[in-house]
Amino acid sequence: DGGITQSPKYLFRKEGQNVTLSCEQNLNHDAMYWYRQDPGQGLRLIYYSQIVNDFQKGDIAEGYSVSREKKESFPLTVTSAQKNPTAFYLCASSTGQVVSGYTFGSGTRLTVV
Amino acid sequence: SQQGEEDPQALSIQEGENATMNCSYKTSINNLQWYRQNSGRGLVHLILIRSNEREKHSGRLRVTLDTSKKSSSLLITASRAADTASYFCATDSGAGSYQLTFGKGTKLSVIP
Repeated sequence: DGGITQSPKYLFRKEGQNVTLSCEQNLNHDAMYWYRQDPGQGLRLIYYSQIVNDFQKGDIAEGYSVSREKKESFPLTVTSAQKNPTAFYLCASSTGQVVSGYTFGSGTRLTVV
Repeated sequence: SQQGEEDPQALSIQEGENATMNCSYKTSINNLQWYRQNSGRGLVHLILIRSNEREKHSGRLRVTLDTSKKSSSLLITASRAADTASYFCATDSGAGSYQLTFGKGTKLSVIP
């Protein structure tokens, strides 16, 4: 079955540490996205990538970094520069065409301890 | 920035009743989409309506779009307890690169 997989489901980080969230898709989608979701705030775009080896900042990119070395993979690193990283992180992919919807992963809940 | 804003923020109904959620947006769009999110899970794409369409149906879902008022509504008919979830509208940027901007969602509770 084709889909998008995020791991881990739960992640705990000590202050000052960098952590990397994994996102893998086998849908042959060109575009991939990272969103952050906080309670009552909806989804906010962190980074997106439309093709391999290229990505753009979204609305809240500060304190985050990404890479897109393979079409299937779009990992997100939450750096120590991110002041309030505790949140639910969602990865999504799409064909990149206007008329298609997004396919989402099941999310990673990051907690800073 | 939030493009879509859903209304109401929360909605509680009895099983079998219809549920209506509204979405307003600010700038021109190519299409508007609705997604569902069960608690602690990812979003699931429900339906897409293009800017030149006024109404679309999918099973128990009916979506309308009024581009003159920059608004959309999602109607779920004959609701079931399993429909309990948060519902989000999303609009594309219409600016070349295909990105979706999501609203804050409507939390629907269907009471058995």
